[in-house]
Amino acid sequence: EVQVVESGGGLVQPGGSLKLSCAASGITFSDVAMHWVRQASGEGLEWVGRIRSKTNNYATAYAASVKGRFTISRDDSKNTAYLQMNSLKTEDTAVYYCTPFIWSGYYTPSNWGQGSLVTVSS
Amino acid sequence: DIVMTQSPDSLAVSLGERATINCKSSQSVLYSSNNKNCLAWYQQKPGQPPKLLIYWASTRESGVPDRFSGSGSGTDFTLTISSLQAEDVAIYYCQQYYSTPLTFGGGTKVEIK
Repeated sequence: EVQVVESGGGLVQPGGSLKLSCAASGITFSDVAMHWVRQASGEGLEWVGRIRSKTNNYATAYAASVKGRFTISRDDSKNTAYLQMNSLKTEDTAVYYCTPFIWSGYYTPSNWGQGSLVTVSS
Repeated sequence: DIVMTQSPDSLAVSLGERATINCKSSQSVLYSSNNKNCLAWYQQKPGQPPKLLIYWASTRESGVPDRFSGSGSGTDFTLTISSLQAEDVAIYYCQQYYSTPLTFGGGTKVEIK
């Protein structure tokens, strides 16, 4: 069974930085694409970005709302993906989820972690 | 970007009755190489992360009760709960994974009548 655990959330001031981690197990981590999705309190789901596998050149893609401020990376030796968030704004306050997409000829969705709360406030 | 539009925003269904949720994409999400639609359905209960129910528009995730089914193709999709149970009270989201940015519908809140 796929299991995902996010960590690293917390309170940060506007303009600050934070780095989230996402550890996955029960899958061949090196074969998956890792996606990040966020959800502000009482709101819907917003895709943040993703990083593909080594086979797909670790290609990244980002939502327009975070492009240039957020960076996704991965360490396949640790079965972990990361979300580096810089120049944080109050509107970035949300629960951040990571979710692997598993390759089987095409990346298909899988389970989500419990999420990590990021609060941007002075 | 592909816009996902869900309807209704909410619905109340009696226990044991059928619940139907619709999702429309602004363009086709059919992946021509395997002739499958890149469309997923998620269930989210209060205080919990979204749970994957359906992918490829109609493939049930392992462990998901068979009262949940997905159908549709191209731009129009449906999630059906054939016999609503109390534990099905939740918000349901559709998602396209055909292209980035991945996009979600606005959600449909399902309650007991």
